[in-house]
Amino acid sequence: DAGITQSPRHKVTETGTPVTLRCHQTENHRYMYWYRQDPGHGLRLIHYSYGVKDTDKGEVSDGYSVSRSKTEDFLLTLESATSSQTSVYFCAISETPGGPDTQYFGPGTRLTVL
Amino acid sequence: GQQVMQIPQYQHVQEGEDFTTYCNSSTTLSNIQWYKQRPGGHPVFLIQLVKSGEVKKQKRLTFQFGEAKKNSSLHITATQTTDVGTYFCAGYDYKLSFGAGTTVTVRA
Repeated sequence: DAGITQSPRHKVTETGTPVTLRCHQTENHRYMYWYRQDPGHGLRLIHYSYGVKDTDKGEVSDGYSVSRSKTEDFLLTLESATSSQTSVYFCAISETPGGPDTQYFGPGTRLTVL
Repeated sequence: GQQVMQIPQYQHVQEGEDFTTYCNSSTTLSNIQWYKQRPGGHPVFLIQLVKSGEVKKQKRLTFQFGEAKKNSSLHITATQTTDVGTYFCAGYDYKLSFGAGTTVTVRA
């Protein structure tokens, strides 16, 4: 498995509270991604980063923000968590965007918003 | 925008039987990737197909990319309990889009 860790692995929070999830990689890959996984929807891209301080929105970015101040860290923030953001969140990395070096996923963070 | 559809959503298989899962894209793809996610785990890359009509095999798994590069299939022969999990296809057309996955259960 690629060197990707996510923290926390599990979190329960209340509606309206801010939440930050962290993804850390030791592979020095350029691209980092945040996905959410929900039953029947597969993996949906929230935000991605193509370099330090370079980020862009994915298909389900509303209610989420990201930051990448170092190559190895990519943070996902829910400014004010809602119950619809209850999900499993996966971080992924790749050297190229869909090229021969494909995406490697972290272990995931299970977030419950009450 | 690009959409990747995957069928069936669920596949219940008797151990030893074969099955196929299909992936269809609304746009022509540069490549297609397949991932497997075991229950409680994270998606793990299986294979990438790039060429039109390409066929690749991994032991009992056969992956195929359509001639028009808009569809793909994964065929598993002689299903085993170790095949349990969800199989995702992901099509790349300037961005990677995942299908909803086929969740496979195996009856021993």
